[in-house]
Amino acid sequence: DGGITQSPKYLFRKEGQNVTLSCEQNLNHDAMYWYRQDPGQGLRLIYYSQIVNDFQKGDIAEGYSVSREKKESFPLTVTSAQKNPTAFYLCASSFAGTVGETQYFGPGTRLLVL
Amino acid sequence: AQTVTQSQPEMSVQEAETVTLSCTYDTSESNYYLFWYKQPPSRQMILVIRQEAYKQQNATENRFSVNFQKAAKSFSLKISDSQLGDTAMYFCAFSPHDSNYQLIWGAGTKLIIKP
Repeated sequence: DGGITQSPKYLFRKEGQNVTLSCEQNLNHDAMYWYRQDPGQGLRLIYYSQIVNDFQKGDIAEGYSVSREKKESFPLTVTSAQKNPTAFYLCASSFAGTVGETQYFGPGTRLLVL
Repeated sequence: AQTVTQSQPEMSVQEAETVTLSCTYDTSESNYYLFWYKQPPSRQMILVIRQEAYKQQNATENRFSVNFQKAAKSFSLKISDSQLGDTAMYFCAFSPHDSNYQLIWGAGTKLIIKP
């Protein structure tokens, strides 16, 4: 079955630590996205990538970094510069990253700060 | 700034009833796309329905339909014959034509279907 997987389901970060969230898709989609979801708010875009080895900042990229070395993988690193990382993180993909495309989502990772 | 507003933070209805969730958006564009996504307790975001602004006909998907009022910038979702499995957060999202990729999201409506 085609889909998007995210791991881990829960992640705990200590003060000053960088942590990496995994996102893998086997839908053969070119575009991938990372969103942050906080209670009572809509999703906010962190980073997106329309092609391998290229990615763009979204609205809230500060304190985050990404890489896109393979078409199927788009890991997100939450760095120590992100002072309020506790949130639910959703990865998504779409066919080509053009306007109006449906985005397909993974099951999410909940990040908690110890 | 382009925004999406969902004015109902929470709604509840009895099973088998019809419920309508409201969504309004703000844009100066004439060509764009609108979406309703569902996020059940599992938290996996699932597309419910998609509407292209230049199409006059309202989109439908089985028990789900929209009432798209372009002049009023309104995009409500109607769920007919509601089922327990419809219990979820529902998010309205908007994709302006000049955004290239970006979805602008509302804050969501929590819908509870009671047995």
